[in-house]
Amino acid sequence: AQSVAQPEDQVNVAEGNPLTVKCTYSVSGNPYLFWYVQYPNRGLQFLLKYITGDNLVKGSYGFEAEFNKSQTSFHLKKPSALVSDSALYFCAVRDDTGFQKLVFGTGTRLLVSP
Amino acid sequence: NAGVTQTPKFRVLKTGQSMTLLCAQDMNHEYMYWYRQDPGMGLRLIHYSVGEGTTAKGEVPDGYNVSRLKKQNFLLGLESAAPSQTSVYFCASSGLAGELLNIQYFGAGTRLSVL
Repeated sequence: AQSVAQPEDQVNVAEGNPLTVKCTYSVSGNPYLFWYVQYPNRGLQFLLKYITGDNLVKGSYGFEAEFNKSQTSFHLKKPSALVSDSALYFCAVRDDTGFQKLVFGTGTRLLVSP
Repeated sequence: NAGVTQTPKFRVLKTGQSMTLLCAQDMNHEYMYWYRQDPGMGLRLIHYSVGEGTTAKGEVPDGYNVSRLKKQNFLLGLESAAPSQTSVYFCASSGLAGELLNIQYFGAGTRLSVL
């Protein structure tokens, strides 16, 4: 079965510094990978996805993600963090068994300090 | 431009009581989902629907029932609430065409406490 792992419960970074939120995946075929963000008291919002093609995927709010097949990773990155980026971030993979639903990771809380 | 709307936003139940959570989407999406979110466990799929009149079990369906009588609505029912069902519930929907299928749009959530 497809799965993703987010090894860090929380990531702390100072405003203006680069940030990385880690995700590794396990799939039986081609990976279809996603990042979602959840702001306090809100539902999840789509950030970006990797289906095929360029290993560097650009998304909303200045975020990007790097797909690395050899390391089975899909880390979320941003060159310069903002305090407003503080939120809960979820990595997800499409489950290709039967209906193609998404399988989410456990989430990583990003805290950006001023 | 409402998107996905969930009602109610908050609810407190006593053990054994029943309730229905309503999800409505105005994007003409074929697919709809119910998730629960618990600390340290991410989102877990309860039930989903691939179209009007169809539903299917997800990862954690026990204790829940669903119905999709209209394309725009997806109802989640708890027949006899238990404290283990204390959680935040999210509804989501997604479109049909190609890779757009997997971009899910979420409601703001329903926070449920079962005492």
